[in-house]
Amino acid sequence: DQQVKQNSPSLSVQEGRISILNCDYTNSMFDYFLWYKKYPAEGPTFLISISSIKDKNEDGRFTVFLNKSAKHLSLHIVPSQPGDSAVYFCAASAPSGNTGKLIFGQGTTLQVKP
Amino acid sequence: DAGVIQSPRHEVTEMGQEVTLRCKPISGHNSLFWYRQTMMRGLELLIYFNNNVPIDDSGMPEDRFSAKMPNASFSTLKIQPSEPRDSAVYFCASSKQNIQYFGAGTRLSVL
Repeated sequence: DQQVKQNSPSLSVQEGRISILNCDYTNSMFDYFLWYKKYPAEGPTFLISISSIKDKNEDGRFTVFLNKSAKHLSLHIVPSQPGDSAVYFCAASAPSGNTGKLIFGQGTTLQVKP
Repeated sequence: DAGVIQSPRHEVTEMGQEVTLRCKPISGHNSLFWYRQTMMRGLELLIYFNNNVPIDDSGMPEDRFSAKMPNASFSTLKIQPSEPRDSAVYFCASSKQNIQYFGAGTRLSVL
């Protein structure tokens, strides 16, 4: 049972345009959500996060939106740059004694074309 | 800070051999996680520790896999005996609260 789903395995966007990556979850107990970026031959790196008490968090070109009623979050990258080409994972955590356990989606490969 | 350090970066071994992967978490982090990444299954959580104590090992595939955390600065993931289907990239991550920080991974190939 996959609690965090990224239904689009890949996305291709032109440089300068907006990239929108989507993520759905099933567990209403999740209260914190994160996006990670992964380049080949490297570990995932933390990008941006959002608490369930918010519906938007922005950091430079990156914005994460949370729709709790739909159990959906999205990552917007504006403007997209070729260096953004990577695999993006969304992740969620539930209150668990502060151990920090995360449930990851399958990932979406973003290609930004120059 | 050096980040999470994993060794070796690459490991090639023959079926039946014992493999030990190593991880040094970020100093001050109290949780440590071992993941396996494959094309088929994505990023799977194998086991995690909190304050050096194993909390959840339900992701460990079978008894051939074992993990230890003898102290706050070191953890191992051991596969004995190894099989070709264990070939994957293994990541270690550490966290203090909600954000996990990953090592560069160990690419394991079992021939």
